[in-house]
Amino acid sequence: ELKVEQNPLFLSMQEGKNYTIYCNYSTTSDRLYWYRQDPGKSLESLFVLLSNGAVKQEGRLMASLDTKARLSTLHITAAVHDLSATYFCAVLTTSGTYKYIFGTGTRLKVLA
Amino acid sequence: GAGVSQSPRYKVAKRGQDVALRCDPISGHVSLFWYQQALGQGPEFLTYFQNEAQLDKSGLPSDRFFAERPEGSVSTLKIQRTQQEDSAVYLCASSLAVTNNQPQHFGDGTRLSIL
Repeated sequence: ELKVEQNPLFLSMQEGKNYTIYCNYSTTSDRLYWYRQDPGKSLESLFVLLSNGAVKQEGRLMASLDTKARLSTLHITAAVHDLSATYFCAVLTTSGTYKYIFGTGTRLKVLA
Repeated sequence: GAGVSQSPRYKVAKRGQDVALRCDPISGHVSLFWYQQALGQGPEFLTYFQNEAQLDKSGLPSDRFFAERPEGSVSTLKIQRTQQEDSAVYLCASSLAVTNNQPQHFGDGTRLSIL
């Protein structure tokens, strides 16, 4: 069974600091997605990572994928309060059918 | 353009009642997924449609859950004889096709509360 684990589950950080969220998955996949969810809102796509070594950056967020280690990271640079949200990674499994498996999420709170 | 639309946004039902949740995907999107999201958790896969064909329903928790997409656009998730553990947010997502590497577009969800 495909499992997707994120850590940390909760992250409280000061504005201006850097931090990394980790996403580990248990089976082969070459497609990994990062989403953001604000309280009471739906999921917003941040990044699509399609190959080993892929790196994408948008503003203060940078995501990378290591398919050999089955690991993706979401790095936050110089955090600002507006980044406070829950971040999910999701892996697409194609064995038999198509199914997205989501991690449990990392709830990020950036303190002013 | 219009995004994925779900209705109702909130639904309160008494235990034992049947409910129907609607999803209007983005026009032209072939793939449609339903998820269940419990409080503080990530979305859990329920079922997947490609056009009108339900290709995977392995995530449906019991035979009380039923989903359809008869014309390949609007989809309905029906829950019969609701129970308290069915309380959750139900999310619908669509994409042009799973194979084109694009992310899913999510609706705002239906928050279901069973009393």
